[in-house]
Amino acid sequence: KQEVTQIPAALSVPEGENLVLNCSFTDSAIYNLQWFRQDPGKGLTSLLLIQSSQREQTSGRLNASLDKSSGRSTLYIAASQPGDSATYLCAGKSNSGYALNFGKGTSLLVTP
Amino acid sequence: ETGVTQSPTHLIKTRGQQVTLRCSSQSGHNTVSWYQQALGQGPQFIFQYYREEENGRGNFPPRFSGLQFPNYSSELNVNALELDDSALYLCASSPAETGNQPQHFGDGTRLSIL
Repeated sequence: KQEVTQIPAALSVPEGENLVLNCSFTDSAIYNLQWFRQDPGKGLTSLLLIQSSQREQTSGRLNASLDKSSGRSTLYIAASQPGDSATYLCAGKSNSGYALNFGKGTSLLVTP
Repeated sequence: ETGVTQSPTHLIKTRGQQVTLRCSSQSGHNTVSWYQQALGQGPQFIFQYYREEENGRGNFPPRFSGLQFPNYSSELNVNALELDDSALYLCASSPAETGNQPQHFGDGTRLSIL
């Protein structure tokens, strides 16, 4: 089973800083990896999906990378804003399964 | 384009009761998955439905069951509710023919067991 770990569990940064969230996974036979945002009491909003054949994806101020050989993915957020405050979850889908396997998330607080 | 919608938003039940949660998939999506998210944890995969058949299941007991209807909407049924079933239940849909499309989630149903 694909095990996913996210570090750090919580992060607080001042507005305007660039930051990196980390995600590691155990099964290198990964089909794709998806990053989500979750606001308190809400569902998940898909941010970026990286296919196994890709190294990175970008959307606006967000950039996600995937390194299958090391079992790592990073989400880079440029010029952080208070509106970026949320929990960020990564989820890997293995070649052999249907499920998304989630980490526990990183809780991000961006202070004005 | 209509997103994934779930009902009800909140539900309170007591131990031993049964509950049915509902999900309407995003337009054009024929695959629906259900996840359980306990407080402070990442979502855990319950099962997936494609063309009205269960085609994948996580580590959940048989008292968790589901249905998918011809219009691709879905239900999650939980029998003999236990205190540990208290969680946010999330539904996600995707187009099955392209496995590399992102899954889109609803806002979930918050289930509390007393």
